[in-house]
Amino acid sequence: QVQLQESSPGLVKPSETLSLTCTVSGGSISGSYWSWIRQPPGKGLEWIGYIYFSGNTNYNPSLKGRVTISLDMSKNQFSLKLSSVTAADTAIYYCAKHEGWIDPWGQGTLVTVSS
Amino acid sequence: DFVMTQSPDSLAVSLGERATINCKSSQSVLFTSNNKNYLAWYQQKPGQPPKLLLNWASTRQSGVPDRFSGSGSGTDFTLTISSLQAEDVAVYYCHQYYSPPYTFGQGTKLEIK
Repeated sequence: QVQLQESSPGLVKPSETLSLTCTVSGGSISGSYWSWIRQPPGKGLEWIGYIYFSGNTNYNPSLKGRVTISLDMSKNQFSLKLSSVTAADTAIYYCAKHEGWIDPWGQGTLVTVSS
Repeated sequence: DFVMTQSPDSLAVSLGERATINCKSSQSVLFTSNNKNYLAWYQQKPGQPPKLLLNWASTRQSGVPDRFSGSGSGTDFTLTISSLQAEDVAVYYCHQYYSPPYTFGQGTKLEIK
């Protein structure tokens, strides 16, 4: 059973870059798509983007080119970078396996953007 | 983008009664070549990540009680809980995986009356 765990940067300053890593256990990154999704406190879900094990990516245009998702096959990890963050980027960030539907999900990590 | 609109935003149902949540997509999520609807339903309890309940609009995941069912095709879908249990209190989301950017409904909060 695949399990995912997000790293926890916690607090990021406005205009800086948010960086998160997701560690996949119980299975290989190879052969699958992997996504990042976020959820502002008390609000709904927003898909950020995915990466295929080959390195191909697809990002949500709503994030206006601020997103980069990469992977490290040797560590069975994939990562998210979101640049030029503002308070609107404060959210719980989830990593997940993306088979079309999204399952399973990591537990999520709250990232707060504040000076 | 596909806009997913759920109704109602919140719902209170008595224990043992039926709960019905609707999801409407701004465009069809039915892929005609395989006759599959690219729609999923999730349940999210407080402090937890979403949990996949159904994919392909009506295929229940392993371990999901059979009181949960999904129906619909094209642009209109329904999640039904046939007999509400206390543990079903949660927010429910629909999700289209037909075309990126993949989008979710705004969520329906289900409570006990």
